[in-house]
Amino acid sequence: GENVEQHPSTLSVQEGDSAVIKCTYSDSASNYFPWYKQELGKRPQLIIDIRSNVGEKKDQRIAVTLNKTAKHFSLHITETQPEDSAVYFCAATPFGGKLIFGQGTELSVKP
Amino acid sequence: EAGVTQFPSHSVIEKGQTVTLRCDPISGHDNLYWYRRVMGKEIKFLLHFVKESKQDESGMPNNRFLAERTGGTYSTLKVQPAELEDSGVYFCASSQVGGRTDTQYFGPGTRLTVL
Repeated sequence: GENVEQHPSTLSVQEGDSAVIKCTYSDSASNYFPWYKQELGKRPQLIIDIRSNVGEKKDQRIAVTLNKTAKHFSLHITETQPEDSAVYFCAATPFGGKLIFGQGTELSVKP
Repeated sequence: EAGVTQFPSHSVIEKGQTVTLRCDPISGHDNLYWYRRVMGKEIKFLLHFVKESKQDESGMPNNRFLAERTGGTYSTLKVQPAELEDSGVYFCASSQVGGRTDTQYFGPGTRLTVL
């Protein structure tokens, strides 16, 4: 069935370091891959997304890469800051459909 | 532009009782989704409305859950009777149809605790 695996479940980095979160999906029909950030007690917020016709997308300190052959996609955060601390969720979906989420990664950025 | 809103923010009920959650999507968004996050686990899909029609309800756990979207605006999710395992945070999300993006915008969630 449809499944998204996300690793690691927790990640602790020093301020200024980079953080990488990896996801693998099972449904080859998936063509849209968003990443959401959820701060404690708040709603999930979209931070970046990528579609299957693109291999990489960057927005300031955040980048996402997609390897459709291997069904892998990753989130890269550079120059991490304490305010980056949150739970990050990857997701996959066929166009316009339900989101299949990964298990979440709790990122902690230590000052 | 107002975001997705949900009511109530918290609900504590006893096993066997009924609870109704409400979601107001972003104005003009035809797609409305319900998701649930059980403690420490992933966010799981429950169902998807396009306007007032159920497009996909494959994630609904059982027939104790009933979702409606009369008139294609706000939606309600009723749990009757509630069980302990129904506890979690229920999120609603909405997106446009035929827009440049199918970004789903999430509400703040309703935290349901069944005692």
